[in-house]
Amino acid sequence: DQQVKQNSPSLSVQEGRISILNCDYTNSMFDYFLWYKKYPAEGPTFLISISSIKDKNEDGRFTVFLNKSAKHLSLHIVPSQPGDSAVYFCAASPNNAGNMLTFGGGTRLMVKP
Amino acid sequence: KAGVTQTPRYLIKTRGQQVTLSCSPISGHRSVSWYQQTPGQGLQFLFEYFSETQRNKGNFPGRFSGRQFSNSRSEMNVSTLELGDSALYLCASSFSGTGDTGELFFGEGSRLTVL
Repeated sequence: DQQVKQNSPSLSVQEGRISILNCDYTNSMFDYFLWYKKYPAEGPTFLISISSIKDKNEDGRFTVFLNKSAKHLSLHIVPSQPGDSAVYFCAASPNNAGNMLTFGGGTRLMVKP
Repeated sequence: KAGVTQTPRYLIKTRGQQVTLSCSPISGHRSVSWYQQTPGQGLQFLFEYFSETQRNKGNFPGRFSGRQFSNSRSEMNVSTLELGDSALYLCASSFSGTGDTGELFFGEGSRLTVL
């Protein structure tokens, strides 16, 4: 039973355009939602997060949107750059165990020059 | 500031053996979590240690265990290895003051191959 799902295993975008990565979850106990980026042969790197009390959080080129009623979040990257090419993981944590992350399966983003 | 350090980076074991993996967190970080990454199951939470106590545990059999030392360094052990234990084992640390929010710093992982 996958509690966090990323339905698109891969996404290809032209440099300068917007990248939109999507994530769905089922567990209503999740309190924090995060995005991690992973390059080959490296551990995941924290990118951006959002609390369940918010619906948007922005950090430079990265914006995360949360739709609690739909149990859906998305990561927008504008403008996309070739260095953004990586695997992006959506993750969620419950309100009483913040470091116990449940990860989605990941989306491989390829930004073409 | 040094990052999370995991040793060994690569190791090969045979079925039935046991393995111990080590993790040194970022200086000052008190929480250490372990995750298993496999192609089939993705990234799965194993356990979290804070102040030498296991604080959270994932859904893994008792063959998987861990501990944390007073200097926050952590080890995880897998006994009676099975082929399915072949995976990348990732350690992550966080300062863990009030209000953990899942912002973890990951090491590069220890890749275990079980033959």
